[in-house]
Amino acid sequence: EPEVTQTPSHQVTQMGQEVILRCVPISNHLYFYWYRQILGQKVEFLVSFYNNEISEKSEIFDDQFSVERPDGSNFTLKIRSTKLEDSAMYFCARRLRNGYGYTFGSGTRLTVV
Amino acid sequence: SQELEQSPQSLIVQEGKNLTINCTSSKTLYGLYWYKQKYGEGLIFLMMLQKGGEEKSHEKITAKLDEKKQQSSLHITASQPSHAGIYLCGALHSGGSNYKLTFGKGTLLTVNP
Repeated sequence: EPEVTQTPSHQVTQMGQEVILRCVPISNHLYFYWYRQILGQKVEFLVSFYNNEISEKSEIFDDQFSVERPDGSNFTLKIRSTKLEDSAMYFCARRLRNGYGYTFGSGTRLTVV
Repeated sequence: SQELEQSPQSLIVQEGKNLTINCTSSKTLYGLYWYKQKYGEGLIFLMMLQKGGEEKSHEKITAKLDEKKQQSSLHITASQPSHAGIYLCGALHSGGSNYKLTFGKGTLLTVNP
């Protein structure tokens, strides 16, 4: 069983629609991340989340993006009004203390049409 | 300038040959992760290095971190078609609460039977 499960594996959405990507870590970890990879490009950091609040976000993570962990288990990334350029693979990750144990989920491929 | 550079960008080898992929940072590394990715899929953890001069091996793959902690190499011995894929290095440039990873552009490895 994977340590980090992401759903859905693939989502197609109309431009302007809201999408919610979900991540479920198995253990009760504290440190979570979202990364993005546009097809054929580098994996890029979006946001880090610790102790139920954002600890750092990148320039990509603008007002259209939000993260939360509403029930202490699922960790979600919401894109309020999707744009064509949001089409990418979105990876959730968790880590253990001191930088160890950085584990990525299998990703959600988001296609905005 | 790039914080993290990988070389080569792509590599084609004959099955059975050895190969090396390099990852060079412009700043001292706190830690360095190696992942393997099939095109359009998730990141599979290979190894994590944190101490200067550290070397780790798993099956036919060996990764090293230099003493100055600014360069890492990934060496594959007697390559097989199953080694084909994209190899990514991800750098932790500092400690602290965030520990975000900065990725290289990746090295595309093709192994011809």
